Amino acid sequence: EIVLTQSPGTLSLSPGERATLSCRASQSISSSHLAWYQRKPGQAPRLLIHVASSRAAGIPDRFSGGGSGTDFTLTISRLEPEDFAVYYCQHYGSSPYTFGQGTKLEIK
Amino acid sequence: QVQLVESGGGLVKPGGSLRLSCAASGFIFGDYYMSWIRQAPGKGLEWISYISGSATTIYYADSMKGRFTISRDNAKNSLDLQMNSLRAEDTAVYYCARGSITWDYWGQGTLVTVSS
Repeated sequence: EIVLTQSPGTLSLSPGERATLSCRASQSISSSHLAWYQRKPGQAPRLLIHVASSRAAGIPDRFSGGGSGTDFTLTISRLEPEDFAVYYCQHYGSSPYTFGQGTKLEIK
Repeated sequence: QVQLVESGGGLVKPGGSLRLSCAASGFIFGDYYMSWIRQAPGKGLEWISYISGSATTIYYADSMKGRFTISRDNAKNSLDLQMNSLRAEDTAVYYCARGSITWDYWGQGTLVTVSS
């Protein structure tokens, strides 16, 4: 089973700043089968990024994903107030399809 | 718009059974793989199972095999999860989601509590 470790656990930033979230896998993820989700309190998770760097439908271009192998990042170029949430990475290269524990992005 | 609404959660004793349902709307249900995913209190998200649009392909996480059964009724736009021999560690919010290995729409979840 691939273990995904996200860092930092909590990131405190201000609107307008740039956010960089990390996701490290315990072994290489094939074909960059890595996705990112956003989750706000009381809401269902929302798919942001798949295949490591492709934005899902309707996702603003301030969200970008990168990385390969075992190290992946989610970058939010300029934080909007609605971006403060919990972010999860998830791999789907092989079963079981596991998630990271999440990074909470909070307003500083 | 796409909507997924779970139901059927509640309090059940260890060893008991529960059947969860997910009502789908806003898309052609039979065209999509569907999945169940859960999140235990204070724990991470955990994928349980997926089923193809025609129900010909079904896959479970190894840890869920034998106790959980996924099914669907395309005529009713409904996805089900039959859970047997429930344990305290099955206590979680259970989500249905559209997709097989990534999920673009999720429901709000239904809480299952396994306790005596």
